[in-house]
Amino acid sequence: DAKTTQPPSMDCAEGRAANLPCNHSTISGNEYVYWYRQIHSQGPQYIIHGLKNNETNEMASLIITEDRKSSTLILPHATLRDTAVYYCIVRVSGNTGKLIFGQGTTLQVKP
Amino acid sequence: KAGVTQTPRYLIKTRGQQVTLSCSPISGHRSVSWYQQTPGQGLQFLFEYFSETQRNKGNFPGRFSGRQFSNSRSEMNVSTLELGDSALYLCASSSLPHTGDEQFFGPGTRLTVL
Repeated sequence: DAKTTQPPSMDCAEGRAANLPCNHSTISGNEYVYWYRQIHSQGPQYIIHGLKNNETNEMASLIITEDRKSSTLILPHATLRDTAVYYCIVRVSGNTGKLIFGQGTTLQVKP
Repeated sequence: KAGVTQTPRYLIKTRGQQVTLSCSPISGHRSVSWYQQTPGQGLQFLFEYFSETQRNKGNFPGRFSGRQFSNSRSEMNVSTLELGDSALYLCASSSLPHTGDEQFFGPGTRLTVL
């Protein structure tokens, strides 16, 4: 079973920031938080991952709470092309390629 | 670098037949994982190969099998196809065991079983 909980769906206005929450209250000390997204009928795409510090790359920012029990993925300026299912996954890095996907959050970016 | 490629992209089979799907990872990647995606069950892990050895296996029946070749290319086979095997089959590669081990997914093979 997935070790994360995400809202099933969210809407966001184009050009605004999209904030996608994820709960992972049972995360272990050596587990990272990963985010992937899947645009309709394509393979999932890696977005970002982090252990305990906030992370930022060209796609998004990841904010992890101090107790590491939850995190938020931020898309700073959402576009229509960001409409996708977003998956939050916790796993040990560098150990295995296995990913356990939950149901994810369907983000609908609206004009 | 070329991305992960999967062949064929679409496939139609009938119940009882068998099927082989192919995955070519990103050059230099030695880890390949397979996933099944259906509307009802979502994305489910099938198995993972690293240096020609199966490292992990998901909760699927023995009709699902795979292998990896010395060039890291991988195949998965499904025997005695059932209607419920209709799905999008995704392959992912990564640079494991190195750090920065994000998974790079291919476009998938859409299998329809009639």
